[in-house]
Amino acid sequence: AQKVTQAQTEISVVEKEDVTLDCVYETRDTTYYLFWYKQPPSGELVFLIRRNSFDEQNEISGRYSWNFQKSTSSFNFTITASQVVDSAVYFCALSGYNQGGKLIFGQGTELSVKP
Amino acid sequence: SAVISQKPSRDICQRGTSLTIQCQVDSQVTMMFWYRQQPGQSLTLIATANQGSEATYESGFVIDKFPISRPNLTFSTLTVSNMSPEDSSIYLCSVGGQGGSGYTFGSGTRLTVV
Repeated sequence: AQKVTQAQTEISVVEKEDVTLDCVYETRDTTYYLFWYKQPPSGELVFLIRRNSFDEQNEISGRYSWNFQKSTSSFNFTITASQVVDSAVYFCALSGYNQGGKLIFGQGTELSVKP
Repeated sequence: SAVISQKPSRDICQRGTSLTIQCQVDSQVTMMFWYRQQPGQSLTLIATANQGSEATYESGFVIDKFPISRPNLTFSTLTVSNMSPEDSSIYLCSVGGQGGSGYTFGSGTRLTVV
C-alpha cells in the first residue's frame, strides 16, 4: 500500500525565517514519483515539483529546495527566507509508475508566515 | 503541460439536488481523475475516468452517488447526486500521463450544500 505522511499539521514562522516541511512516504513500487503542491486560500493546486525515484539529486528553485532521501523515504521541502505570500497549505504526494498520474496525498501542512 | 478548464468554480446547492461539474482539457489525455477535498482535509481520489469505459471508483465512492462521463479524450463530467451537507467540498479534476507524469489540476469547484 502507498502512504504519505506529513506529520506537521501547522507551522507558523516569521517572515525571512527558513522553514522545512517534512514528508515521509511508503511504497512497494521500485519506480515512483513524488510531488509537492501548494494550495493557497483560493483553493487551486499549484504544482511545485516532481521527483523520480531514481533521481536523488537535491533540487533548488529560487527560495525553494527539496531534499530527497530514499534511505529514509523522505522528500522534504525547504523555503528559504520565507515571505507572507508563502502562506498556504502544502501537500506532498506520491504516484507509482503504473498509476498514470493517480496521486496519494499527505494530509498537508498549513504554513503561516507572519510579517 | 495540459491546461484544464473546470466549471463551475463554485456553487451553493439545495440538499437533494444534483450538480454536474465539467472539466475540459486543451489536449487529448488518456486518464482523468476526480478528487474530493473535504473542508480542512487532504485530497481523496473519487474515481479514474478512461474514455470509452466505465470509471473505476475508489473504496467508499459509488457510481450512483458520483456518476462520471468521459465521452472523449478531452472532456469529463462528475455529477454529485442527491446532495447532502456532507458533500460540501472542493472537487477537482486532474489529468494523468505516462509514467506518473500527470500533475495538472483544474481550478476546483467549491460546493456548498445547504
